[in-house]
Amino acid sequence: DAGVIQSPRHEVTEMGQEVTLRCKPISGHNSLFWYRQTMMRGLELLIYFNNNVPIDDSGMPEDRFSAKMPNASFSTLKIQPSEPRDSAVYFCASRPLGGEDTQYFGPGTRLTVL
Amino acid sequence: RKEVEQDPGPFNVPEGATVAFNCTYSNSASQSFFWYRQDCRKEPKLLMSVYSSGNEDGRFTAQLNRASQYISLLIRDSKLSDSATYLCVVLHTNAGKSTFGDGTTLTVKP
Repeated sequence: DAGVIQSPRHEVTEMGQEVTLRCKPISGHNSLFWYRQTMMRGLELLIYFNNNVPIDDSGMPEDRFSAKMPNASFSTLKIQPSEPRDSAVYFCASRPLGGEDTQYFGPGTRLTVL
Repeated sequence: RKEVEQDPGPFNVPEGATVAFNCTYSNSASQSFFWYRQDCRKEPKLLMSVYSSGNEDGRFTAQLNRASQYISLLIRDSKLSDSATYLCVVLHTNAGKSTFGDGTTLTVKP
């Protein structure tokens, strides 16, 4: 299995631009999570989906952030407009639904907003 | 107060040393517990689950005390390759989401 796939791996953009991060979960995993990691705030859960349905988006910082999961094999996290304080590493993770199974993280997208 | 709190570290130890990390959690409804390892500029990866009876995996021992809401990780005979950040993770099965601690950084030196 290829594991969780994220793209791009690195993104540098200017303030005000739209940024779209992409994630392909592990096949057969029903839960998908988006996290953001910074030195100051650690690893924060932004939103998660079960069976493509958003369950908890309380971690989404503000309306500039949106996430979709149109099917079981693809999710996007969009920031519009981006700001310098959005600079972070964004991780996607997937997990089989239910039980106590672990989450499997993708390699992350390192976002820099100038 | 954060829901999951860890020793901030950093821990700097010589090879062969024994080192212990502590973690406390505030939500008594927490149901599953894990230690993850994160190498520099890499993604977190599961190190081991933590069971109420305690569990061991080679040089690593994890303990859980539900009454005190406390989790620990013990590393014996530490190796240079153990240098990483160790994240304490609490899963709320009913809510379906996990909370990560900020991590404890370990550096093992020759």
